[in-house]
Amino acid sequence: GAGVSQSPSNKVTEKGKDVELRCDPISGHTALYWYRQSLGQGLEFLIYFQGNSAPDKSGLPSDRFSAERTGGSVSTLTIQRTQQEDSAVYLCASRVAGVYEQYFGPGTRLTVT
Amino acid sequence: SQQGEEDPQALSIQEGENATMNCSYKTSINNLQWYRQNSGRGLVHLILIRSNEREKHSGRLRVTLDTSKKSSSLLITASRAADTASYFCATDPNSKLTFGKGITLSVRP
Repeated sequence: GAGVSQSPSNKVTEKGKDVELRCDPISGHTALYWYRQSLGQGLEFLIYFQGNSAPDKSGLPSDRFSAERTGGSVSTLTIQRTQQEDSAVYLCASRVAGVYEQYFGPGTRLTVT
Repeated sequence: SQQGEEDPQALSIQEGENATMNCSYKTSINNLQWYRQNSGRGLVHLILIRSNEREKHSGRLRVTLDTSKKSSSLLITASRAADTASYFCATDPNSKLTFGKGITLSVRP
C-alpha cells in the first residue's frame, strides 16, 4: 500500500478483556516497530521485528503484551487482560533495510474503561 | 527512558517568524532525526542528520548537530499556520527510535 495502515483506529474495551491491534507495513519494508504514546510516558518503544523474528522485545511492559509478525508483513500486537494504564495510542512504523527513516501509521487509540 | 530532551516544551510564534527548537541527548549516536506529529496521531519524518554532519537543510528546515555537546537544533524558517504541530527529536540506539518529550509549536495566523 501507499503507507503504513493500522486497525482499528479507535478501540474502547472493558478492563480485563483482550485486544488485538493490527499493523500493515509498507510493502517491502523488512523492519517493523511498535511504539506506545501516552500522556504520562511520552513515546515509548515496545518491540522491533526484522522479518518475522523479534530481536528486541525489551519495551514490552509486561507479559500481558505480545506481538507477532507473519509472512514478513502484517503484525499483530495483543494485549491480554487489559488494564486502565494500557490506555494509549499504539503506533506502528516500518522501514527499509539500510535506511534509518521510519514511516509511521496513524495509530490505534486504545481506551480501557 | 527518554534519550532526547527538547527545549522549549512549548513555543508560540506569529506566522512568518522563524521557530527554533533544541534537543539534547545522552549517549553516542549514529544519527539524529526530527519528526512531526499532528493531532496526536502518526509521526512524519522531517529530516535526518548523521553523526559526522554538522548542518543539513531541507526546504524551510535547517538542522544542526553538535556531538561534543550532544545537542541538535531544528530551525523552521518563515513559519506557516500549517506548521502547528508537535516536534520530536529521536535517536536510534540499536535500531529502535528513542524520543524526547516533544515540543508543541503553535503558529498564529
